[in-house]
Amino acid sequence: NAGVTQTPKFRILKIGQSMTLQCAQDMNHNYMYWYRQDPGMGLKLIYYSVGAGITDKGEVPNGYNVSRSTTEDFPLRLELAAPSQTSVYFCASSAGLGNVLTFGAGSRLTVL
Amino acid sequence: AQSVTQLGSHVSVSEGALVLLRCNYSSSVPPYLFWYVQYPNQGLQLLLKYTSAATLVKGINGFEAEFKKSETSFHLTKPSAHMSDAAEYFCAVSEGVAGNKLTFGGGTRVLVKP
Repeated sequence: NAGVTQTPKFRILKIGQSMTLQCAQDMNHNYMYWYRQDPGMGLKLIYYSVGAGITDKGEVPNGYNVSRSTTEDFPLRLELAAPSQTSVYFCASSAGLGNVLTFGAGSRLTVL
Repeated sequence: AQSVTQLGSHVSVSEGALVLLRCNYSSSVPPYLFWYVQYPNQGLQLLLKYTSAATLVKGINGFEAEFKKSETSFHLTKPSAHMSDAAEYFCAVSEGVAGNKLTFGGGTRVLVKP
């Protein structure tokens, strides 16, 4: 049981480049989330999804896009990368309302 | 809107001493409250959660937290620190059973001195 798998673990981008952070879960969870973690700021919600085909913005969605074509996958797309997007990104999933989140190991992104 | 404040971004304790991490929250509805721990270069793991049952919640690794509605607090304690407790700890709140998003505090990094 792999849980939540994120790829890549590390990536360096140049300003203006684009990339996709992959997230997959094998627990048949309906709810999936993308957070970013910056030092001293805790985790901020970027986007979330309550099921395949349904996504919604979180607290800090600007500069990002998501899609949810299947229950298992929830990729995060960065268009026109900026230094402000340098962060550690965490994907998480849960079985439903009020349930505990299971987190992936994180993806560290640096934009230079 | 819900929010979480963790007092102290860094805490240093001696091995065997009490660990106390403070968390205050605001929520417009009865909250669900969580403590997560993050070890270096890892994702977050659940320590414990409060979901309107007993106000004193016991978690893994000897940690416990007490929900105090009058103080809007959910402080985390452990009677005796161990070296393996060195990590970053996050308090989080969701808006009760209807909430599907967690709001996290800024985190408290714990250093354990031998």
